[in-house]
Amino acid sequence: AQSVTQLDSHVSVSEGTPVLLRCNYSSSYSPSLFWYVQHPNKGLQLLLKYTSAATLVKGINGFEAEFKKSETSFHLTKPSAHMSDAAEYFCVVSESGTYKYIFGTGTRLKVLA
Amino acid sequence: AAGVIQSPRHLIKEKRETATLKCYPIPRHDTVYWYQQGPGQDPQFLISFYEKMQSDKGSIPDRFSAQQFSDYHSELNMSSLELGDSALYFCASSLGVQGNSGANVLTFGAGSRLTVL
Repeated sequence: AQSVTQLDSHVSVSEGTPVLLRCNYSSSYSPSLFWYVQHPNKGLQLLLKYTSAATLVKGINGFEAEFKKSETSFHLTKPSAHMSDAAEYFCVVSESGTYKYIFGTGTRLKVLA
Repeated sequence: AAGVIQSPRHLIKEKRETATLKCYPIPRHDTVYWYQQGPGQDPQFLISFYEKMQSDKGSIPDRFSAQQFSDYHSELNMSSLELGDSALYFCASSLGVQGNSGANVLTFGAGSRLTVL
């Protein structure tokens, strides 16, 4: 069975400092992993996707994530936070062929001026 | 580019009334997913359809039903509404057939906010 755990429900960073949002997954087979962002009262927007091609995935708005099989992790990072990055971030796992997408409980990112 | 269209964007109903939400997927997408997101909660999977057939079922109450039509749009019908049904309802679409690049990306609509009074 597949599952995903987002280790922090809230993260606060100062503008211009690095962002780290942590995600661990559990999957029986080769997983596909996604990060989505949700701004207040908005829909979910895809940031990036991992599907076994390259372990370091670059996404939109300067975000990237590294797939580490040995650690079953898919942490999201950004070198320098902007105020506009303040939002809720969801890590999602899907096993190929299942058409199931399991969401983490989300991490709310707060960016301080 | 065309996105996933959901209607209505906002809906207010009384308890025990019924409501219908509509979702129009991206053209050529044959799979639709419905999610419910309560205040401060993560999206909970309700139900999905592939090629007009139900493909998976999540935590959808018996009071709710859904279907996908021949033009691939989907409708979520909710009856005997309860206060706890107040939530943001998201529809997402994707291509059902997976290629060599793993699971397909889900593209989400902006959501329909249901308020039950």
